Amino acid sequence: AQKITQTQPGMFVQEKEAVTLDCTYDTSDQSYGLFWYKQPSSGEMIFLIYQGSYDEQNATEGRYSLNFQKARKSANLVISASQLGDSAMYFCAMREGLAGGTSYGKLTFGQGTILTVHP
Amino acid sequence: EPEVTQTPSHQVTQMGQEVILRCVPISNHLYFYWYRQILGQKVEFLVSFYNNEISEKSEIFDDQFSVERPDGSNFTLKIRSTKLEDSAMYFCASRAPSGRHTDTQYFGPGTRLTVL
Repeated sequence: AQKITQTQPGMFVQEKEAVTLDCTYDTSDQSYGLFWYKQPSSGEMIFLIYQGSYDEQNATEGRYSLNFQKARKSANLVISASQLGDSAMYFCAMREGLAGGTSYGKLTFGQGTILTVHP
Repeated sequence: EPEVTQTPSHQVTQMGQEVILRCVPISNHLYFYWYRQILGQKVEFLVSFYNNEISEKSEIFDDQFSVERPDGSNFTLKIRSTKLEDSAMYFCASRAPSGRHTDTQYFGPGTRLTVL
């Protein structure tokens, strides 16, 4: 089974509107971390937001928020007030096990969602 | 703001040749990683490195691959005899040992390797 599933290969949004990118995960660990990265056409991987499995509040970083639903094993990224510069590939990723434990924190990535923001 | 750097940005090589990809992690970070991304596919973990030794590696990371931290700042990935299927973007990442963002890996801009 896939550990990280991103079911939306592509999404379109109008500038200034909000958009939700879906991510579901599969793990039997109690301690894990969830991440979203942005990859623009230039290729670099930009860290956006992090949610720890024990965090009770949904993470927020500026226009990015993570809708964490632990029982459903979902960690959707919400981008508010979309901008043209948000057009990029977005990856959801998971770190299983305790950070610094035997897994040493390797990330498992989903297939990504290409977001296109229209003016 | 400190960042991970990688050189070269693009490397073209002939099949069978050795390549060394270089990374300078963020200075106070102690955990280092290499990932690769074949064109159009997802990012895949290759290896993690801590305390001057490999802590974990994937099945992709076979005997043709090696990593080294030759000095206090550089972290290298060597591919001994490149194959066509090694063509990919290679990302280095690093992580802090403690603090608020200790769980977050920061990625370099990548090295695009093309094997002909």
